[in-house]
Amino acid sequence: QLQLQESGPGLVKPSQTLSLTCTVSGGSINSGGYYWSWIRQTAGKGLEWIGHVYSRGNNKYNPSLKSRVTISLDTSKSQFSLKLSSMTAADTAVYYCARGIEVLPVNWFDPWGQGILVTVSS
Amino acid sequence: DIQMTQSPSSLSASIGDRVTITCRASQSISDYLNWYQQKPGKAPKLLIYSASNLQSGVPSRFSGSGSVTDFTLTINSLQPEDFATYYCQQTYTTPQFGQGTRVEVK
Repeated sequence: QLQLQESGPGLVKPSQTLSLTCTVSGGSINSGGYYWSWIRQTAGKGLEWIGHVYSRGNNKYNPSLKSRVTISLDTSKSQFSLKLSSMTAADTAVYYCARGIEVLPVNWFDPWGQGILVTVSS
Repeated sequence: DIQMTQSPSSLSASIGDRVTITCRASQSISDYLNWYQQKPGKAPKLLIYSASNLQSGVPSRFSGSGSVTDFTLTINSLQPEDFATYYCQQTYTTPQFGQGTRVEVK
C-alpha cells in the first residue's frame, strides 16, 4: 500500500525559503499515470493546491504561487520536494503531499501524507 | 478562476439519517469533480472521483452524482464514523477545493 510522509522544519522565519520533502514508500515514484503533489490547508483559505511534478520531471504550479514555488523529484530516493520562497505569515499552514492519479481526462489525489504544520514566525 | 461553492457549510444529523451535500461550480466542469472526507487532525481521504465513481474500499452508503455545474454527495444511513468535514474538488482547470461541509452530531 502506497504511503507518503512529509518531513521538514515546523518553524520558518519570514522571508526565508521553506523546504519540505515527501518520501514515498510501498510503490514506485516512477510509475506512469501519476504525478506528485503538494497541497496546503489553512483555516482562512481552506485547501489550496500548490503544484505537482510528473515522473518525467515536468511541473504544473498554482498561478497564485508560481513565482515562489519549485517542486522537484528525486527518483533515486523515492522522494519529491517543495521549495516555497519569501515566506510570510500567510503561508502558515498544514502542508500535505499527495499522489495525483491521472486517467485522462480526469484526475484525483490519493493517497495523502499525514501533513506537516509549518508556522512562519520570527 | 472557477469558484466551487458547497452547501450547506455545516449540518447536524443523526445516525441512520440520509445526508446530502451539494457542490456548485461557477462554470461547467463536465464530471471533473471529486469528493474527500476529512476528520480532525487527519489528511483528506478520497471518497468519490469523476463525480460518481466510488473509490475502492469506501462504503457503498457513499454516492456521488451530477455533472456540468451541479454535484451531490449523498450518505445513506449515516454511521458514527461519518461525522467529518467533506470537500468537493474540481480538476477541470487549476485544481480547486470547495470550502467544506461539516457534518455534526444532532
